[in-house]
Amino acid sequence: AQSVTQPDIHITVSEGASLELRCNYSYGATPYLFWYVQSPGQGLQLLLKYFSGDTLVQGIKGFEAEFKRSQSSFNLRKPSVHWSDAAEYFCAVERIKAAGNKLTFGGGTRVLVKP
Amino acid sequence: DAGVTQSPTHLIKTRGQQVTLRCSPKSGHDTVSWYQQALGQGPQFIFQYYEEEERQRGNFPDRFSGHQFPNYSSELNVNALLLGDSALYLCASSRGMALAGGLREQFFGPGTRLTVL
Repeated sequence: AQSVTQPDIHITVSEGASLELRCNYSYGATPYLFWYVQSPGQGLQLLLKYFSGDTLVQGIKGFEAEFKRSQSSFNLRKPSVHWSDAAEYFCAVERIKAAGNKLTFGGGTRVLVKP
Repeated sequence: DAGVTQSPTHLIKTRGQQVTLRCSPKSGHDTVSWYQQALGQGPQFIFQYYEEEERQRGNFPDRFSGHQFPNYSSELNVNALLLGDSALYLCASSRGMALAGGLREQFFGPGTRLTVL
């Protein structure tokens, strides 16, 4: 069964500093990969996605993620964090070519931004 | 263009009761998925509906059931509520199960917060 691991439960970063969130997946083949953000009391918003091609993908709000097949990782980065980036971030995978598009999520990383 | 909408926003029930949650998909979407997000955890897939049929199901008991209507909206029903059913229930919609994954991007609603006392 596929699984997604986000090793960091909480990360605290100063405003203006860089941010990197880790995501590792376990699956027999390369799945589709996603990063979602969830603000308190809100639903999930898609930040970016990877299906194929260039392993560095750009998303909304200045985020980017790099897919590394050899490490089964899909880490999310932002060069300079804003206070509004404080939220919970979820990595998710979807099996390629499977009937339906069930997402399997990691446990999430909560990001706190210090002024 | 309205996104995914869910109702109600919040709900309080007692153990043993039954609950129905509702979801209207984004315009142009025909596939609806339901997820349960317990406090402090990532969402877990409950089931997915397409063409008014349950197409995939996660590891949830039969107490969880659903329905999709001809207008693509969906309901999630939970019977015999347990304290552990307290969670945020998220609905997601996408377009066409037969399409490639890139075209099946899921859009999430704001969720329904269910509290079971």
